[in-house]
Amino acid sequence: GEDVEQSLFLSVREGDSSVINCTYTDSSSTYLYWYKQEPGAGLQLLTYIFSNMDMKQDQRLTVLLNKKDKHLSLRIADTQTGDSAIYFCAESTRSGNTGKLIFGQGTTLQVKP
Amino acid sequence: DTAVSQTPKYLVTQMGNDKSIKCEQNLGHDTMYWYKQDSKKFLKIMFSYNNKELIINETVPNRFSPKSPDKAHLNLHINSLELGDSAVYFCASSQASGGNEKLFFGSGTQLSVL
Repeated sequence: GEDVEQSLFLSVREGDSSVINCTYTDSSSTYLYWYKQEPGAGLQLLTYIFSNMDMKQDQRLTVLLNKKDKHLSLRIADTQTGDSAIYFCAESTRSGNTGKLIFGQGTTLQVKP
Repeated sequence: DTAVSQTPKYLVTQMGNDKSIKCEQNLGHDTMYWYKQDSKKFLKIMFSYNNKELIINETVPNRFSPKSPDKAHLNLHINSLELGDSAVYFCASSQASGGNEKLFFGSGTQLSVL
């Protein structure tokens, strides 16, 4: 089946690292994604990782993928107050020629000054 | 030059009314989607269209009818609105490349049914 799980809330201090975790069920997912949603806005693609990789770094963002355990994490280094948002993990699934993303329930990141 | 734009941003209406939400993308993508986000922020896919053809219909009530006049537009019409339809509706588009389904989202339409 298709299911993506995340913890609901994470609070960190400004300057600390944040680690948001996610588990997924579809082992055939080719790509996994992290999206950010700020209040009143749509979802913005932050980064994604191909399933054959186990790590991807993009500036302050590091994605780790453990395919065996179907575990994905997003690490934000030097977390800033502007990073406060909801972070969604998503797995891709395909039906014929069309794909769709299955999202987790989102992790609210609160950054305290 | 907004990539995925949807209107209106806010929609407040009475139970039983019929309403439409419009979506347009200027990214040249072949696939468009409607997602529903409930009050707990849970996002669930409703429909997807590929080149004007309905591909995914995720057990959404018949009161919801998507229409795609061309591949750049995907509108959502809702008949006989119910209280439980209150949510934020997001339009998105993608151009799959090698299995990479990067979705680009609109800013959402907050629907409140009174």
